[in-house]
Amino acid sequence: SQTIHQWPATLVQPVGSPLSLECTVEGTSNPNLYWYRQAAGRGLQLLFYSVGIGQISSEVPQNLSASRPQDRQFILSSKKLLLSDSGFYLCAWSAGYYNEQFFGPGTRLTVL
Amino acid sequence: AQTVTQSQPEMSVQEAETVTLSCTYDTSESDYYLFWYKQPPSRQMILVIRQEAYKQQNATENRFSVNFQKAAKSFSLKISDSQLGDAAMYFCAYFRDYQLIWGAGTKLIIKP
Repeated sequence: SQTIHQWPATLVQPVGSPLSLECTVEGTSNPNLYWYRQAAGRGLQLLFYSVGIGQISSEVPQNLSASRPQDRQFILSSKKLLLSDSGFYLCAWSAGYYNEQFFGPGTRLTVL
Repeated sequence: AQTVTQSQPEMSVQEAETVTLSCTYDTSESDYYLFWYKQPPSRQMILVIRQEAYKQQNATENRFSVNFQKAAKSFSLKISDSQLGDAAMYFCAYFRDYQLIWGAGTKLIIKP
C-alpha cells in the first residue's frame, strides 16, 4: 500500500532563516505531488504541484520554492522565512490528474 | 473561475443521529470531480467520498453519502448514525485538471 511521509512534524524558525520541508511517497511510481498551506481555520491553498522529476508548477507568487529531485521526493524550501509563512503545510500525492489526492500528516511551521 | 462555498461554518448533531453538510460550487465545466475530505484534530486530511460529475448515481461509503445535484451545482454530505469519531472539519473540494479548489470548511460537533 502507498504511504506518504512528511518531516519535521513541527518546526519553529526565526524570521529570515532558511526552510526545508521534505515529503516522500512509498508504494507508487510517478505520482503527482502537491504542496499546500493551510492557515488556521481555513481551507487549503495550493502552492506547488509536480507531475514528474524536475517539473514544478507554482500557483502563488511567494518566497517559497519547491523541488523534486527524485520521483517520490518533494521538497519545499525558502531562503528567508517571513512571518506570513507560518502555517500548516501539507504534502499530497495522486496517481493522476483525475484521481483523489492523499495527504501526509503535515508540518506545523511557526515563524517568530 | 471555479469557487466552492460551504455556508455552514459549524454544525452540531446528537450522537447516532443524521446530519447533512452543504456545499455549492460554481463552474462552467461539465466534466469534473467533487470530494469531501475530513480533517480531525490531528489535522491529517482524510478522503471521505468522491463523486464524478458524469455519474448520476450518488456516491456512498458506509455511513457517508452525497446528494449530488449537478444542475443546481450542489454537493451535500449526509452522515448517518453519527459517531464521536466523526467530529472534525469537513471540506468540500472541486477538482478539474490538476487542481483542487477547496471550500472554507464546516466544523462538525458530535454531542454525546
